[in-house]
Amino acid sequence: GQQLNQSPQSMFIQEGEDVSMNCTSSSIFNTWLWYKQDPGEGPVLLIALYKAGELTSNGRLTAQFGITRKDSFLNISASIPSDVGIYFCAGFGGTSYGKLTFGQGTILTVHP
Amino acid sequence: GAGVSQSPSNKVTEKGKDVELRCDPISGHTALYWYRQSLGQGLEFLIYFQGNSAPDKSGLPSDRFSAERTGGSVSTLTIQRTQQEDSAVYLCASSGQGRGYTFGSGTRLTVV
Repeated sequence: GQQLNQSPQSMFIQEGEDVSMNCTSSSIFNTWLWYKQDPGEGPVLLIALYKAGELTSNGRLTAQFGITRKDSFLNISASIPSDVGIYFCAGFGGTSYGKLTFGQGTILTVHP
Repeated sequence: GAGVSQSPSNKVTEKGKDVELRCDPISGHTALYWYRQSLGQGLEFLIYFQGNSAPDKSGLPSDRFSAERTGGSVSTLTIQRTQQEDSAVYLCASSGQGRGYTFGSGTRLTVV
């Protein structure tokens, strides 16, 4: 089946630093999504990307849908303690259309 | 309701017992999904319902797992003869347009 490789697996940063994480796929995706999961909660959608090359911002978050349609990145600028959590990339595409394929997640820790 | 509701939020059961997990999707959402998240892991697809179509059961790990969706709304995930490896958080999500999902907070299942 389709797989997404997400990196890094974890990040430890100081408050105020910028963060970047990315996902790559072995096959083309039609939609890329980025989610954040807080402890004890389900993932919450942060940003959705629908076209190759699309660059979308949501506050301090910026995400891009790669031109090849096989990758996406998420940047967080000026991190704050509440950014702590697990970030997942996810995508729809090819034969899996209708159900999302998720990356393994990036665990973000922000030190005050 | 305003969001996806899952019950119970926590369930502890003895090995060999059957359990039922419930999901109330967002009203009007035609697509409903079940995912499983093991400790520190990503999200594993289990089953997908879309309208009146036959469900995509390709992610169910064994025949001990089954799910149904009644009236195109509420869904129940049933695990028979639970095993310790079934311990995980079971997440339900719904979608109205096949794009971003809205997740519930999950049911944390512990098999002892």
